[in-house]
Amino acid sequence: GENVEQHPSTLSVQEGDSAVIKCTYSDSASNYFPWYKQELGKRPQLIIDIRSNVGEKKDQRIAVTLNKTAKHFSLHITETQPEDSAVYFCAATPPEYGNKLVFGAGTILRVKS
Amino acid sequence: DAGVTQSPTHLIKTRGQQVTLRCSPKSGHDTVSWYQQALGQGPQFIFQYYEEEERQRGNFPDRFSGHQFPNYSSELNVNALLLGDSALYLCASSPRGTGSSQAEAFFGQGTRLTVV
Repeated sequence: GENVEQHPSTLSVQEGDSAVIKCTYSDSASNYFPWYKQELGKRPQLIIDIRSNVGEKKDQRIAVTLNKTAKHFSLHITETQPEDSAVYFCAATPPEYGNKLVFGAGTILRVKS
Repeated sequence: DAGVTQSPTHLIKTRGQQVTLRCSPKSGHDTVSWYQQALGQGPQFIFQYYEEEERQRGNFPDRFSGHQFPNYSSELNVNALLLGDSALYLCASSPRGTGSSQAEAFFGQGTRLTVV
């Protein structure tokens, strides 16, 4: 089955700097890759997603890139702010499993002001 | 739109007991998935319901069962609770129509289950 690895497990950046989180997946048939932000004690919130027919997607300060050949995708946050501090999860969806999400282990992002 | 709602928010149970968790999907969504999130880990897929039937299942024992009602709401039942079942249980709902494997999933706030 699908397996998703996420790195780094923790990331500390200065306010205003960029943050990059990387994920690799094992099933080349996976075709949907969402990113979720989870603040302490709150629900995971979808912040951006990308489908396998697209190589890059951007939404204001957040962007996601997908390399299907290498089977990895990355989250880029520019001009980080203290409110970006949270746990970020990547996920992949193999097509034969409906929209079952296979999550990475998460990255704790700390933005220092 | 209330989004995905779950009840209760917190629950404490004793080993061996049974528990039922409830989920109401986001308006317009007909597919409900359940996930278990242990402390410090990513959510793990338990199962998914669509048209009142279990469509997909993750690597969870038969002690975990569910149900979906005609109004698309869902229940997760766990029998013979173990200490290791202590976790945040998340419900996610999705619309079916965008190509099911690429449908966005919206999560509820979860039910924090503690087994003592």
